[in-house]
Amino acid sequence: QVQLVQSGAEVKKPGASVKVSCKASGYTFTSYDINWVRQATGQGLEWMGWMNPNSGNTGYAQKFQGRVTMTRNTSISTAYMELSSLRSEDTAVYYCARWVAATKYYFDYWGQGTLVTVSS
Amino acid sequence: EIVLTQSPGTLSLSPGERATLSCRASQSVSSSYLAWYQQKPGQAPRLLVYGASSRATGIPDRFSGSGSGTGFTLTISRLEPEDFAVYYCQQYGSSPIFTFGPGTKVDIK
Repeated sequence: QVQLVQSGAEVKKPGASVKVSCKASGYTFTSYDINWVRQATGQGLEWMGWMNPNSGNTGYAQKFQGRVTMTRNTSISTAYMELSSLRSEDTAVYYCARWVAATKYYFDYWGQGTLVTVSS
Repeated sequence: EIVLTQSPGTLSLSPGERATLSCRASQSVSSSYLAWYQQKPGQAPRLLVYGASSRATGIPDRFSGSGSGTGFTLTISRLEPEDFAVYYCQQYGSSPIFTFGPGTKVDIK
């Protein structure tokens, strides 16, 4: 069965960076793009960007350009999202999601989420 | 950037009642790129409907999606206790870029 398993919770100081991992299993990792979505406590879903695990190509939401980097290690079927220059407003749960991009576009499987807390 | 607006913000209903959730887009959206998700507290979102009207695998037939252009609807024909949750619509635009609506909370009356 398809699973996306994310790394554990992180606590970071303002100005630091965080790197969240998303390990895929149950399908061919390079066949589907991975997207990252975050959610502040009590707030809605915010799309951050996508990565093609096959080519390494990425696309980021304008809001995060220059601060986010999405990478992958195909040998261990794992995607990564690194966010730098953290500030308190980055405190949120970060999700990875598999993107089905055929005739219709949607996220069919999601990771369990990783809480990132930014606090001095 | 296309902005999605969902209404109402909160829908208070009783089990067995019908729920009608609206998602409006600031510009026309391809039906192929409109999806709905359900999220319960402490859980990741779950795909309900994609392509505006196709139910995802394992989703009960009490959930249905409809609409086109700038107006889309998610209908839950008869609310079950497990359906009380927050529902988000999502669209894909060029760039690529995804946007989500602010969500509709369906709670127990």
